[in-house]
Amino acid sequence: ETGVTQSPTHLIKTRGQQVTLRCSSQSGHNTVSWYQQALGQGPQFIFQYYREEENGRGNFPPRFSGLQFPNYSSELNVNALELDDSALYLCASSPTPSRIGNTEAFFGQGTRLTVV
Amino acid sequence: RKEVEQDPGPFNVPEGATVAFNCTYSNSASQSFFWYRQDCRKEPKLLMSVYSSGNEDGRFTAQLNRASQYISLLIRDSKLSDSATYLCVGYSGAGSYQLTFGKGTKLSVIP
Repeated sequence: ETGVTQSPTHLIKTRGQQVTLRCSSQSGHNTVSWYQQALGQGPQFIFQYYREEENGRGNFPPRFSGLQFPNYSSELNVNALELDDSALYLCASSPTPSRIGNTEAFFGQGTRLTVV
Repeated sequence: RKEVEQDPGPFNVPEGATVAFNCTYSNSASQSFFWYRQDCRKEPKLLMSVYSSGNEDGRFTAQLNRASQYISLLIRDSKLSDSATYLCVGYSGAGSYQLTFGKGTKLSVIP
């Protein structure tokens, strides 16, 4: 069991609404990365936060935004929800930005968002 | 063309079988590669890193061929508990601290 927790675990929203997803990083980790995983696809990188600043962004529109707090927890906000935003949203916590792909980086269990 | 492409699957194999997954990548800047395992409706978990020299962890063997931009994962003596989706993942490192995932290949090990 990792120390990365996400909330809520499931969420249903209506098209056009806004949603906020939360991620608590593992103790000692200062980097949080967010991924979107549509059904039948691999996770797609949304953005990464390092010490409260955005540190890289994938090919997602500006209505996907985020925050990182002094305790390194993070939020993902999505405005003007579309049906295609329905997916599993994963956050990954790592000790530093570069150590996202090793045994010290862990994913949370994800938030399953359904847009109707 | 996607940066990381995998066998579409699904793979249905009997217990005890040997199964091989293949993956190709298009971004020659990718520095590191990994195999992740994802159980149904769960988060991805790192299975193993992939090195050019090849690496083995018990029943699992991973191999990277940089010249062919090809990555493989071999599972020997398949167990029921190996049933999962296996994701091939690339990482570019400096300037792009993101993991690039393939679509995944679903493995079902049948009794």
